[in-house]
Amino acid sequence: AQSVSQHNHHVILSEAASLELGCNYSYGGTVNLFWYVQYPGQHLQLLLKYFSGDPLVKGIKGFEAEFIKSKFSFNLRKPSVQWSDTAEYFCAVPTGANNLFFGTGTRLTVIP
Amino acid sequence: DSGVTQTPKHLITATGQRVTLRCSPRSGDLSVYWYQQSLDQGLQFLIQYYNGEERAKGNILERFSAQQFPDLHSELNLSSLELGDSALYFCASTQGLSVYNEQFFGPGTRLTVL
Repeated sequence: AQSVSQHNHHVILSEAASLELGCNYSYGGTVNLFWYVQYPGQHLQLLLKYFSGDPLVKGIKGFEAEFIKSKFSFNLRKPSVQWSDTAEYFCAVPTGANNLFFGTGTRLTVIP
Repeated sequence: DSGVTQTPKHLITATGQRVTLRCSPRSGDLSVYWYQQSLDQGLQFLIQYYNGEERAKGNILERFSAQQFPDLHSELNLSSLELGDSALYFCASTQGLSVYNEQFFGPGTRLTVL
């Protein structure tokens, strides 16, 4: 079954710094990928998703992710982070069993 | 606000006890997913119901069970609780059956087992 891994557990950045959070998926073939975000004290919400087509996907709040098949990666990026981007970010992939496999998450702290 | 509600927000109980967590999906959503989020395991899928029927099962312990009622709300029952069951329990809903639909998450129930 498909799975994803996130190797950055905690990332600390200053405001206006650029962000890249890593997500690697387990094997090739048809892949659909999601990034979800959980702001402090709030529910998880969808940032963006990749199903097919343009490998550069734009999401909400200025986030984007690039699907790179040769690297089995779907990294999340933002050119300039804000304090309000402080949150936990989860990469996810559908498994063959009609459910989502979530990565362990990356906690982002943005220092004003 | 995602439109998904969960009650209670917090639950503190003792080992060996049984609790019930409740989830009301967004209006019109037929599918409910349950997840457990703990510090060491991350976000783990437990079980999915669609229109009253169990459709997918993940890492759900035999001590745990769930159901979805005719009004589409769902309950997760946790019994013979252990310290390790302390976690955040989320439910999510989607309109259809497919996992490719965006899932709308509730605010979660924080369970503490003492």
